[in-house]
Amino acid sequence: GAGVSQSPSNKVTEKGKDVELRCDPISGHTALYWYRQSLGQGLEFLIYFQGNSAPDKSGLPSDRFSAERTGGSVSTLTIQRTQQEDSAVYLCASSRPGTQERDEQFFGPGTRLTVL
Amino acid sequence: GQNIDQPTEMTATEGAIVQINCTYQTSGFNGLFWYQQHAGEAPTFLSYNVLDGLEEKGRFSSFLSRSKGYSYLLLKELQMKDSASYLCAVVNQAGTALIFGKGTTLSVSS
Repeated sequence: GAGVSQSPSNKVTEKGKDVELRCDPISGHTALYWYRQSLGQGLEFLIYFQGNSAPDKSGLPSDRFSAERTGGSVSTLTIQRTQQEDSAVYLCASSRPGTQERDEQFFGPGTRLTVL
Repeated sequence: GQNIDQPTEMTATEGAIVQINCTYQTSGFNGLFWYQQHAGEAPTFLSYNVLDGLEEKGRFSSFLSRSKGYSYLLLKELQMKDSASYLCAVVNQAGTALIFGKGTTLSVSS
């Protein structure tokens, strides 16, 4: 498929464990974004990558959250010492090169994270 | 700061027209997006407005008034498959992210 893919689709973990969420963007998309969607809330921006660098990390809620991107492609979002409030759907999106503001973001299906 | 407001829920019947409003307060303006999200699925792009006026695309149209901080999404000839959440989002000042409203859940009945 040519869309954004994410894995796993579902993740159940225990409080205090670390989790890694993976995103494969559309080939050729240099911009990559992570968002999370909690029940009853809108999508909340977490971090933006342009290539392998992250010029905007302002949405990461705490230092337990980190993300990296390698080869200008795959990205991993890591949550350390998970808490119950981290339970949400984590969505990844990518966009093509060009004028940043008007580029449509293509979203993946998300990873539903449940912290028990 | 940035704030996006849209109604939580709307209902309509097949064949009708519905207008979903969105108001925003932002520091600067770099464009506004509408996305559709079916339950359990990824948001999909519907429209982008950066200039005032109406953008029409088939059954869907989107309007923007920058002076009023206001946009609406107009859906015509509603179909059952249009039942979904509609997300209004503005580009942040740095142009690095979308700031989303909480979404409007539209239910279309026969």
